[in-house]
Amino acid sequence: DARVTQTPRHKVTEMGQEVTMRCQPILGHNTVFWYRQTMMQGLELLAYFRNRAPLDDSGMPKDRFSAEMPDATLATLKIQPSEPRDSAVYFCASGPRGQGARSSYEQYFGPGTRLTVT
Amino acid sequence: GNSVTQMEGPVTLSEEAFLTINCTYTATGYPSLFWYVQYPGEGLQLLLKATKADDKGSNKGFEATYRKETTSFHLEKGSVQVSDSAVYFCALRGSSNTGKLIFGQGTTLQVKP
Repeated sequence: DARVTQTPRHKVTEMGQEVTMRCQPILGHNTVFWYRQTMMQGLELLAYFRNRAPLDDSGMPKDRFSAEMPDATLATLKIQPSEPRDSAVYFCASGPRGQGARSSYEQYFGPGTRLTVT
Repeated sequence: GNSVTQMEGPVTLSEEAFLTINCTYTATGYPSLFWYVQYPGEGLQLLLKATKADDKGSNKGFEATYRKETTSFHLEKGSVQVSDSAVYFCALRGSSNTGKLIFGQGTTLQVKP
């Protein structure tokens, strides 16, 4: 049963430290999404990639966040420096290659990384 | 732009009650519509989907019909169980081929025995 995996599952760090979250998309999927979930803002799209190229990162604070896909099996989301307001659950999702405009483009979510910045 | 609006929660029901969670959308063209479910401590899971008007998505006793005339995709279940307690998200994908989803704010369902 193919799944999206994320590491670490939990991360507690101090303000100012660098945080790196990793995601392994489902093999064969060509789109990867990063979301942030908080009680106040709900589910926010931070960035997404297709075929490893960034398509949209307009939801991401550019001064401290960066997202990359060094290869097809790894996506990373980095925060430097981290701040208490970054505390949230960060989800990665991957999606299969579409087959035209009628494709449903389902997304499959990982279990998330719960980040706490003190 | 595209948007999704869900009824506010929490929704509290007794076991075996009928469930409706309302979802309406705004979109140009012919979006695809989804319901995702998030159990405590987990990521979102696709529950059901519909890709064109009048399609009915169904899974695990849940159903939703794509109504273009009312721009709605309401989630229903005839008899809920305690294990259905979760947060439910309605989402749409626009007509473009980006794969990007627009999510509603989520509706918490609590089912009591």
